[in-house]
Amino acid sequence: AQSVTQPDIHITVSEGASLELRCNYSYGATPYLFWYVQSPGQGLQLLLKYFSGDTLVQGIKGFEAEFKRSQSSFNLRKPSVHWSDAAEYFCAVGPPGSNTGKLIFGQGTTLQVKP
Amino acid sequence: KAGVTQTPRYLIKTRGQQVTLSCSPISGHRSVSWYQQTPGQGLQFLFEYFSETQRNKGNFPGRFSGRQFSNSRSEMNVSTLELGDSALYLCASSFEVPNEQYFGPGTRLTVT
Repeated sequence: AQSVTQPDIHITVSEGASLELRCNYSYGATPYLFWYVQSPGQGLQLLLKYFSGDTLVQGIKGFEAEFKRSQSSFNLRKPSVHWSDAAEYFCAVGPPGSNTGKLIFGQGTTLQVKP
Repeated sequence: KAGVTQTPRYLIKTRGQQVTLSCSPISGHRSVSWYQQTPGQGLQFLFEYFSETQRNKGNFPGRFSGRQFSNSRSEMNVSTLELGDSALYLCASSFEVPNEQYFGPGTRLTVT
């Protein structure tokens, strides 16, 4: 079955420290990959996406993610975290080459930033 | 360009009632998807519409239904509300399928 796993439910980092949020997927083929961020009481904001090509993708707010086919992973990174990055982060996958936009989401990782 | 808008933002209903939620996609976007978000189940896909046609449906009971109008605006309806239907309902739009989806702020439904 298709699934997305975010192993870390909750992560705490100090402001200025680097961040890596993990995402692993189970899919028949390489899916389309996304990272979204959700602040309390808000909808989801797209941080970045991977469809094909360069496996290191740049997103908004200084985030980047690396697709590793051999590990079925799409980890999100940021070199220096800001207090405003505290939020919930969701990894999602979508079926490649099909006519549906249905996304499968991971359970999310809550990021807390210590001053 | 205006983002995805959802109305109402908050709603309180009583068990057994029905509710209709509305979503206006980004101008020019033809695909609209709906998701339910709860603390226990996370984000779950409800259904997807493209050019007024339902393209895909998630694993939800028939009490959940939706439609899309010719201007791409979409509505979802939940009949005979149950306590477990309390959730944040998110609408997302995209220009075409598949593509990145842009989410609205959601409608917070509370069933008492």
